[in-house]
Amino acid sequence: GQNIDQPTEMTATEGAIVQINCTYQTSGFNGLFWYQQHAGEAPTFLSYNVLDGLEEKGRFSSFLSRSKGYSYLLLKELQMKDSASYLCAVGDGNNRLAFGKGNQVVVIP
Amino acid sequence: DAGITQSPRYKITETGRQVTLMCHQTWSHSYMFWYRQDLGHGLRLIYYSAAADITDKGEVPDGYVVSRSKTENFPLTLESATRSQTSVYFCASSDQGDSYEQYFGPGTRLTVT
Repeated sequence: GQNIDQPTEMTATEGAIVQINCTYQTSGFNGLFWYQQHAGEAPTFLSYNVLDGLEEKGRFSSFLSRSKGYSYLLLKELQMKDSASYLCAVGDGNNRLAFGKGNQVVVIP
Repeated sequence: DAGITQSPRYKITETGRQVTLMCHQTWSHSYMFWYRQDLGHGLRLIYYSAAADITDKGEVPDGYVVSRSKTENFPLTLESATRSQTSVYFCASSDQGDSYEQYFGPGTRLTVT
């Protein structure tokens, strides 16, 4: 089975840095994905980690520790448009993803 | 336009009616998926398909039927709609290989009255 846990909501100020955590316990693991979802829209892909360590992509970075079943998404220089839900998803090795419930980030001026 | 599309975008139907949600992708991706998204549950996999004529159940398949006669289309049918199937439905596709991200369609908001 799959158990993916994310905090539900956080508020941060424009220009700040925010870290969104994800812990998982899954029967199979073949990569961890982060998606962004704005209200009323479809999820869009942000990042993918399959090996331990940090992957940096512009203002967004994602970290993975497979031994701890832990990942985080780091958002730097927050902008108002970053207000969205951030979804953590685990690949099970059969091209399927199991999603967490998402973390709502609210950016305030 | 290239990409993944869903129709209709909004649908209201009555309990007991059959309704079909359409999904079409132009990338020739091998894999296609149907999810539902509900408050408090996140995205849950209903059915998926690895190729034309190959489909399999996901986490919440009861009450749904899928088919995939062509690579580009993956319709989802609610055989007899129930209020508990009121949800936002997303179709997604991905290329073969576990490192390939899934691309999502715009979603269909379905209300069953």
